[in-house]
Amino acid sequence: DTGVSQDPRHKITKRGQNVTFRCDPISEHNRLYWYRQTLGQGPEFLTYFQNEAQLEKSRLLSDRFSAERPKGSFSTLEIQRTEQGDSAMYLCASSPPHWAGGLETQYFGPGTRLLVL
Amino acid sequence: GENVEQHPSTLSVQEGDSAVIKCTYSDSASNYFPWYKQELGKGPQLIIDIRSNVGEKKDQRIAVTLNKTAKHFSLHITETQPEDSAVYFCAAREGANNLFFGTGTRLTVIP
Repeated sequence: DTGVSQDPRHKITKRGQNVTFRCDPISEHNRLYWYRQTLGQGPEFLTYFQNEAQLEKSRLLSDRFSAERPKGSFSTLEIQRTEQGDSAMYLCASSPPHWAGGLETQYFGPGTRLLVL
Repeated sequence: GENVEQHPSTLSVQEGDSAVIKCTYSDSASNYFPWYKQELGKGPQLIIDIRSNVGEKKDQRIAVTLNKTAKHFSLHITETQPEDSAVYFCAAREGANNLFFGTGTRLTVIP
C-alpha cells in the first residue's frame, strides 16, 4: 500500500493560466475527496467522488474549478483562469468502500502547493 | 453547516509533560471526530478518531474524549516527545462525508 499520491507537489503559475492536478488514491478506495488548505488554516472540503460519480460539491468550488474521476480510479482537479486567491495547498484524500470497514477514515496525500503570481 | 473551533492555536510543553488540545463543534448531528497530525510539507495524518457513541478512546500515549452534550472533544498526549512537535487538527463529520476542520494547534515539545 503506497498511500495517496499527488502530482505535481509544487506548481507556480501566472494569473490567468490553467492548471491541473492529479490524485491517485489508495488502491481499492472507491471514495475520493479534494480539500483546499490555506496558510494557518485547516483543510476545507471542495468535492467528493464515489467511484466515478461526483456526489458532492462545496460552495467553495467556483465555476472555474472542475474535478473528474473518469474511471473511478485517479482524479484530476483543474483550475481555469487562476487568480492569486487560488494560491493554497490542494489536498486529496481517499476512503475504503463501506464493506471494507473503517468507512469514515480519510487518508490524505502530500498535497499540491499552488502559487499564483 | 458545521463549525469547529480549536484551542489553543499554539502550545509549548516540556518533553515528558502532557498536552491537551480542545475542540468544540456546532452541529449536534455530527457523529465522527478524527484528529490529524500535519508535519511541514506533508499531508494530514490520522492519529486517532472517535465516533459519537463512544466517550473515550485511547491508543498508547494518545487519547481522545468526547462530550456530546457539551459538543466538545479533546486530544490528550501524554509523555510528549520531540517528534510529537507538529500541527494538530481536529475535525467533525457532518452528514455522510464532509469533514470540517478546526484551525489547528501548533505543538512544540521542548527537549
